[in-house]
Amino acid sequence: AQTVTQSQPEMSVQEAETVTLSCTYDTSESDYYLFWYKQPPSRQMILVIRQEAYKQQNATENRFSVNFQKAAKSFSLKISDSQLGDAAMYFCAYRSERAGGFKTIFGAGTRLFVKA
Amino acid sequence: KAGVTQTPRYLIKTRGQQVTLSCSPISGHRSVSWYQQTPGQGLQFLFEYFSETQRNKGNFPGRFSGRQFSNSRSEMNVSTLELGDSALYLCASSLKGAFLAKNIQYFGAGTRLSVL
Repeated sequence: AQTVTQSQPEMSVQEAETVTLSCTYDTSESDYYLFWYKQPPSRQMILVIRQEAYKQQNATENRFSVNFQKAAKSFSLKISDSQLGDAAMYFCAYRSERAGGFKTIFGAGTRLFVKA
Repeated sequence: KAGVTQTPRYLIKTRGQQVTLSCSPISGHRSVSWYQQTPGQGLQFLFEYFSETQRNKGNFPGRFSGRQFSNSRSEMNVSTLELGDSALYLCASSLKGAFLAKNIQYFGAGTRLSVL
């Protein structure tokens, strides 16, 4: 069975600094997608960035980028120039098709604090 | 375009009762997934519906069920409520289901269920 592990329950970063959130996963599948979602205190989950497993190039979305290491099954999120609004719970997620449907597996989450 | 709408936002029930939660996906989205979020277990996949068919199911007891209507709106039902069912229930919709795992899931704000 697939698993997603986020080993950092909490992280803290100074405003304008860079922080990296870790995520590892375990799978025997070759075709899958990885996502980072952000859940602010208002609790609406929003997509931060996504990566297709067959693409070697790391995804980037403005201040957010990933370091995708397929062989190591690692998918870390780097937030550059951190802002107060980045404070939230961040979830790493694995998504693949199975039995004609989809299943998304989430990590336990990392709570990010941003200090002014 | 309106986002994913979940009703009600908050619900208080007592043990043994049953509850029905509703999710209206983004217009045009045909895939709806449900998740349970608790502090102890994190985000766990309940089930996914596409075109009124349940295509995938998580590891939850039969007390948890769902359905999807022809307009893609979905409901989930929990019968014989237990204290452990207290959680935030999240619904997510995506544009297409079949063979396109990369499709982004858009989440609703969730329904907070408290079982007393």
